[in-house]
Amino acid sequence: DTEVTQTPKHLVMGMTNKKSLKCEQHMGHRAMYWYKQKAKKPPELMFVYSYEKLSINESVPSRFSPECPNSSLLNLHLHALQPEDSALYLCASSQDWGQGGEKLFFGSGTQLSVL
Amino acid sequence: ILNVEQSPQSLHVQEGDSTNFTCSFPSSNFYALHWYRWETAKSPEALFVMTLNGDEKKKGRISATLNTKEGYSYLYIKGSQPEDSATYLCALNSGGSNYKLTFGKGTLLTVNP
Repeated sequence: DTEVTQTPKHLVMGMTNKKSLKCEQHMGHRAMYWYKQKAKKPPELMFVYSYEKLSINESVPSRFSPECPNSSLLNLHLHALQPEDSALYLCASSQDWGQGGEKLFFGSGTQLSVL
Repeated sequence: ILNVEQSPQSLHVQEGDSTNFTCSFPSSNFYALHWYRWETAKSPEALFVMTLNGDEKKKGRISATLNTKEGYSYLYIKGSQPEDSATYLCALNSGGSNYKLTFGKGTLLTVNP
């Protein structure tokens, strides 16, 4: 199984809502990532978890709250988002983190619209 | 902020044509260079990870070369097929204390039958 599964595929939420994005992998990977991609822009790193510990937070606003309950799961909790947070949110995993040559396995993303 | 540039932004070729695109990066900030293929409505898929100057990698009709001294990588597709239509992203890992990828904007390839 070389899949990274993300749910939901699409999400529409209001600025006062609380929602969560979920990501799952069963490849035994120890590193998991959240990326954000806006239209016509490259994917931008948000968070990196390594061995279930937060290793990188790219100065992401606190209205985005990541969680790694175990090595196979990664969540992104959303609260009080702004319309400019509308984007494609990609989850990825890799065998390890900090090795440089590790390729990433991506999910197909959650397309988020904030109204 | 690292600048990873890809050119061209988009490319239309006929089936059977061979094509290539470029990824440029700061040569002073190099640890590894990744190439990904991203088909519409699917997940980005890793093609190659290259770490050494002069590296050449091949996967079927697709190959890539790396020049870390001058800061560029080429991706070549031989005999393009409609199923090669996708966005091709390169990403630089500059190493250091933060092992993270900085992506380019990608090259959108459309192969017409």
